[in-house]
Amino acid sequence: QKEVEQNSGPLSVPEGAIASLNCTYSDRVSQSFFWYRQYSGKSPELIMSIYSNGDKEDGRFTAQLNKASQYVSLLIRDSQPSDSATYLCAVTSSGGSNYKLTFGKGTLLTVNP
Amino acid sequence: DGGITQSPKYLFRKEGQNVTLSCEQNLNHDAMYWYRQDPGQGLRLIYYSQIVNDFQKGDIAEGYSVSREKKESFPLTVTSAQKNPTAFYLCASSDRLAGGSQQFFGPGTRLTVL
Repeated sequence: QKEVEQNSGPLSVPEGAIASLNCTYSDRVSQSFFWYRQYSGKSPELIMSIYSNGDKEDGRFTAQLNKASQYVSLLIRDSQPSDSATYLCAVTSSGGSNYKLTFGKGTLLTVNP
Repeated sequence: DGGITQSPKYLFRKEGQNVTLSCEQNLNHDAMYWYRQDPGQGLRLIYYSQIVNDFQKGDIAEGYSVSREKKESFPLTVTSAQKNPTAFYLCASSDRLAGGSQQFFGPGTRLTVL
């Protein structure tokens, strides 16, 4: 059973701080990695994708991937109260299909003003 | 506007009834997916379809059925055989030609069994 593990939180950070969200995955041949943000009662919104080892930056968000350690993380700089949400890590499944995603259960982030 | 629409937003079902959830997309995406989300849980894949007239079971297909007669539409039927249907149902789509794995979600349908 392919698994994606996230700390459920809640992770609480003060406004302006860096929030660090972590994710590990079990399928060594996974190729694509995604972070989704989900506000309470809403559907997930894709905020970052990363495909190769290293860092990828987009505004205040940085995704980091280490395939050898089977680890992907999301850093949110200058955290704002509007960043308070559940963050879902998703990983493509192997087995010939690049279309199936396996999701973690999500980490609840709270940014305190 | 391009996007994914789901209807209805809220749905109430009596035990023993079948209900159908609608999902439509105008993104010209080949692949479409149905997920279920329970409180405090991640998303679990019910069914997915990569092309018209073809679909595959996901991890929790029992008690559900789908059809894919048009590229734009992927309706999900929750049958009376699904024992715990109360959940948040999410439809997603992806563009196979662009790599296929980035999935975009509709607003969801919240189903409650009375």
